Amino acid sequence: KQEVTQIPAALSVPEGENLVLNCSFTDSAIYNLQWFRQDPGKGLTSLLLIQSSQREQTSGRLNASLDKSSGRSTLYIAASQPGDSATYLCAVSEDDYKLSFGAGTTVTVRA
Amino acid sequence: GAVVSQHPSWVICKSGTSVKIECRSLDFQATTMFWYRQFPKQSLMLMATSNEGSKATYEQGVEKDKFLINHASLTLSTLTVTSAHPEDSSFYICSALVETQYFGPGTRLLVL
Repeated sequence: KQEVTQIPAALSVPEGENLVLNCSFTDSAIYNLQWFRQDPGKGLTSLLLIQSSQREQTSGRLNASLDKSSGRSTLYIAASQPGDSATYLCAVSEDDYKLSFGAGTTVTVRA
Repeated sequence: GAVVSQHPSWVICKSGTSVKIECRSLDFQATTMFWYRQFPKQSLMLMATSNEGSKATYEQGVEKDKFLINHASLTLSTLTVTSAHPEDSSFYICSALVETQYFGPGTRLLVL
């Protein structure tokens, strides 16, 4: 069974600092990996999707890397802003489209 | 973009009653929808896969007689929590699959 772990569980940084969020998974036979953002009491917003054949994806200030062989992904958020405060979830998909989620990293960006 | 809605967004009910949650894909059709449950400060746990026109597939440990899923059309799946108890209080999120999963905004259920 796929196990997804996210470290740290919580992170607090001053505005402007870069954020580094880590995700690890136990079974490297994945179809893709996604990073989501979840605001309190809300649903999920997809940030980046990395196919298993890709090494990274970028969107604006966000960059996600994937090392499938070692079972790791990292989400980088450059020049953090208070609006980046949220919980970030990592999820991996295997060939049946089911997603296995990590518990998330809750980020607080202090103004 | 693909939009998924859920109704209601929150519901409070008495123990022993049943609650129905709707998940709709607004601008696309989805043969497959998923239902997740999320407890406070925990991850999303997949409950079941809902397939249009056929029976849902439940994950291990999820009671199919308690969590009834109906996927009657390509744009609507419903989750009914039967004889709800306080331990069923949770945040329920659905998603619709079209190449990737598009998530609804979630439904918060509180059982008193």
